[in-house]
Amino acid sequence: GQQVMQIPQYQHVQEGEDFTTYCNSSTTLSNIQWYKQRPGGHPVFLIQLVKSGEVKKQKRLTFQFGEAKKNSSLHITATQTTDVGTYFCAGPDRGSTLGRLYFGRGTQLTVWP
Amino acid sequence: KAGVTQTPRYLIKTRGQQVTLSCSPISGHRSVSWYQQTPGQGLQFLFEYFSETQRNKGNFPGRFSGRQFSNSRSEMNVSTLELGDSALYLCASSLDATGATRQTRNYGYTFGSGTRLTVV
Repeated sequence: GQQVMQIPQYQHVQEGEDFTTYCNSSTTLSNIQWYKQRPGGHPVFLIQLVKSGEVKKQKRLTFQFGEAKKNSSLHITATQTTDVGTYFCAGPDRGSTLGRLYFGRGTQLTVWP
Repeated sequence: KAGVTQTPRYLIKTRGQQVTLSCSPISGHRSVSWYQQTPGQGLQFLFEYFSETQRNKGNFPGRFSGRQFSNSRSEMNVSTLELGDSALYLCASSLDATGATRQTRNYGYTFGSGTRLTVV
């Protein structure tokens, strides 16, 4: 079945260092979404990427969607302690733009002060 | 505006019992999805409802069921609880839009705080 894989599973960085998580889908996606879940919290929507090769920025966060629309990445520049949490990517069913989402297992980010 | 409201926040049940969880989506959102989150399996899709109809269903046994009411509120039910059903159950609502509209607007799913179910 359709799968979304994400690496690394864990990342520990010192405050100020950069962080990147990578997401790879077994199928071409119509869009890919990124979510952040703080410890003890629930996933919070960050962004949706739609176009092949798309790059979007949110302050220190940079999101990319691969040319083949099968992979994506999230890069955080100069991490802060507020960035702590698990970052998930998610994509819809093959051929669909909404409905069921397939989530990656997430990358748990720990930031040392 | 109010977010997605899930009740109860915590539940402890014994094996064999059944449980009903409730979700009130954001006003105006007609799509409601349910996910199970566990450390071992991550976020797994249970089902999605739209306009009182189940539109998608994940790979869970028939003990897991759900429904949606005319006001978009949704409930999910788990019968004959097993220890492995212990998890965080998350409800997510979305402003449903199809095709091009969905693709051009930057919005995803809004999750509730979840119901933490413990089966003992």
